[in-house]
Amino acid sequence: KAGVTQTPRYLIKTRGQQVTLSCSPISGHRSVSWYQQTPGQGLQFLFEYFSETQRNKGNFPGRFSGRQFSNSRSEMNVSTLELGDSALYLCASSPDRGGETQYFGPGTRLLVL
Amino acid sequence: AQSVTQLGSHVSVSEGALVLLRCNYSSSVPPYLFWYVQYPNQGLQLLLKYTSAATLVKGINGFEAEFKKSETSFHLTKPSAHMSDAAEYFCAVSHSGAGSYQLTFGKGTKLSVIP
Repeated sequence: KAGVTQTPRYLIKTRGQQVTLSCSPISGHRSVSWYQQTPGQGLQFLFEYFSETQRNKGNFPGRFSGRQFSNSRSEMNVSTLELGDSALYLCASSPDRGGETQYFGPGTRLLVL
Repeated sequence: AQSVTQLGSHVSVSEGALVLLRCNYSSSVPPYLFWYVQYPNQGLQLLLKYTSAATLVKGINGFEAEFKKSETSFHLTKPSAHMSDAAEYFCAVSHSGAGSYQLTFGKGTKLSVIP
């Protein structure tokens, strides 16, 4: 089975712009979670989607949003980018409710200038 | 709130020596526990997971971890370090929130292997 794929792998944006990141889960996996990784804060949970519904959300501002499509692919969007949004954004998929193992993609590295 | 503490942000071992990476968790219910490894410029790769079936869990690449409830620990070990083990290692606990599970990670331990 193909693993979790994320596009693009690298992205450079300027402050105030918005960005959309994409994640395709492992075939058959219905749950997609997003995490932000920074040197200062480490790995932090953003949100989780299942069957096109956001089931859980971490402690991030409303500028961070996401959605999931009927084929389980997911996108996350960050509006009005700030310098502090520079990070590695990781997507993970799991078969159902997590607790099950989450399998991670390679990440999208976002640099905000 | 769940939390994970990894003792030592950086650990150095000689090639062939024992690897011991420490992880302590706080959880009010029996947890799912995981160790992931991250190589430079890559995502997280699952090493092993604990799901209450057995306290000693074997993973990939010769790693194993022992769940000790009395100590709330889940330390990762490997008998003999290899140069290819140099990477960052993350311990995580999976817990439920609002109807789904999320991972809470430790800060990570960067492992260096000295030839």
